[in-house]
Amino acid sequence: GAVVSQHPSRVICKSGTSVKIECRSLDFQATTMFWYRQFPKQSLMLMATSNEGSKATYEQGVEKDKFLINHASLTLSTLTVTSAHPEDSSFYICSARSRDRGYFGEGSWLTVV
Amino acid sequence: AQKVTQAQTEISVVEKEDVTLDCVYETRDTTYYLFWYKQPPSGELVFLIRRNSFDEQNEISGRYSWNFQKSTSSFNFTITASQVVDSAVYFCALSEAGNQGGKLIFGQGTELSVKP
Repeated sequence: GAVVSQHPSRVICKSGTSVKIECRSLDFQATTMFWYRQFPKQSLMLMATSNEGSKATYEQGVEKDKFLINHASLTLSTLTVTSAHPEDSSFYICSARSRDRGYFGEGSWLTVV
Repeated sequence: AQKVTQAQTEISVVEKEDVTLDCVYETRDTTYYLFWYKQPPSGELVFLIRRNSFDEQNEISGRYSWNFQKSTSSFNFTITASQVVDSAVYFCALSEAGNQGGKLIFGQGTELSVKP
């Protein structure tokens, strides 16, 4: 099956700094990737759709200037949380679309202190 | 608008019991996909099944089975003879056909606890 790798798996950053999370499709090309966020004990919510070579499409209520998404190649999308605050602490997980469905990365736990 | 409802927030069973997780969905599309994922405490999402809206056949995979009923917009998941390793949060999800299952709308999740 298709493999998606996400890095880092866990990151702690100081309030006010930025942190980048990478999502890579290892054995297939993905023109479209998706970024989800999950707060503790809650469901997964789609943040944005990342399209290779074009601007990401953000869901309503997601600040595009705070959550920067770059999809510069067919195998890599990055999510940068800028000026992170404690309320951004969450589980972030990406999905890369292949022929039949999206394949999820392992997820990244972000803690902002 | 699309919506997925998992009314059961938490379920607790004793090992070897059968358990059914309910999922009800709403969509105006005639073509769509339904999914079930398992999320253990480590966080990763484990894919369990994908079903398209034209395939109403029930499916069995080992101890897992799924009952898809378009008439009631339900896609329920049953674990037979549950085991402690089945303890996790289970998510039902819906995708429009145009997204080919990539963009998902998740239900609230059901936390299953299987006690020895």
